[in-house]
Amino acid sequence: DQQVKQNSPSLSVQEGRISILNCDYTNSMFDYFLWYKKYPAEGPTFLISISSIKDKNEDGRFTVFLNKSAKHLSLHIVPSQPGDSAVYFCAASARTFGNEKLTFGTGTRLTIIP
Amino acid sequence: NAGVTQTPKFRILKIGQSMTLQCTQDMNHNYMYWYRQDPGMGLKLIYYSVGAGITDKGEVPNGYNVSRSTTEDFPLRLELAAPSQTSVYFCASSPAGGGQPQHFGDGTRLSIL
Repeated sequence: DQQVKQNSPSLSVQEGRISILNCDYTNSMFDYFLWYKKYPAEGPTFLISISSIKDKNEDGRFTVFLNKSAKHLSLHIVPSQPGDSAVYFCAASARTFGNEKLTFGTGTRLTIIP
Repeated sequence: NAGVTQTPKFRILKIGQSMTLQCTQDMNHNYMYWYRQDPGMGLKLIYYSVGAGITDKGEVPNGYNVSRSTTEDFPLRLELAAPSQTSVYFCASSPAGGGQPQHFGDGTRLSIL
C-alpha cells in the first residue's frame, strides 16, 4: 500500500524554465510534508517542507504547494538550473499523532537540459 | 562537519554470511534511522531509535537487528544474508522526531550473491 505516490518516474525540463514535481498521498493523518533531493552515490538532502496548516512555502527558487482537499502537493523550481538535475523524493509524516517516521514516495528523476 | 558517516560504502556478501553496517553521527541527534532503497523504489524504514537504549521496528525489519548503546552510533546487523537484502542502505539522524528533517549518510551498497 503506497501511501505516498510520485507517479512520474522522470521529468525533463529546459534550463531556465519551471520544473513542477508532483506528489499524492492517501493517508489523511499526514500533516507534515518534506521534499528531499538526491544525487547519485550520495544520501538524500532536505530541500523544503510544509505543514498542513499552510498551503504554500517558499525558499528561494523552490516553492511547495499543498492542496489538502486533493491530498496533493507539488514542488516548483524556477528558474531550473543544471545543478537541479537529481532524484526528488516526497515524504510525509503524521506529526500531530506522534508518528516519528517518514513515509517516502518512489522519487522523480529530474533532468535539466542546457 | 562529518554529519552522518556510514561504513563500508560497498560490500559483497555470500548467502548466509552476516555483517554489521556502521553508522555514526556527530550532531548529538537523539533520533536515528535505518532505511533501505531498492531500485526504482522509495526509502523504506527498517528500524529507528529515539535515544540511546531505545529502538523500534519500522516497515521492513525482518532479517535485521539494531542496537543503540550511545547517542552517536546506530549499527545495523544482518544475520544470515539473503539475496532479497541486496539494496542500498541509508542511515539518517534528526534532532527530534515527528518527521523533522533528517540528515542522511551517503549509503552502503550491499550485494548478496
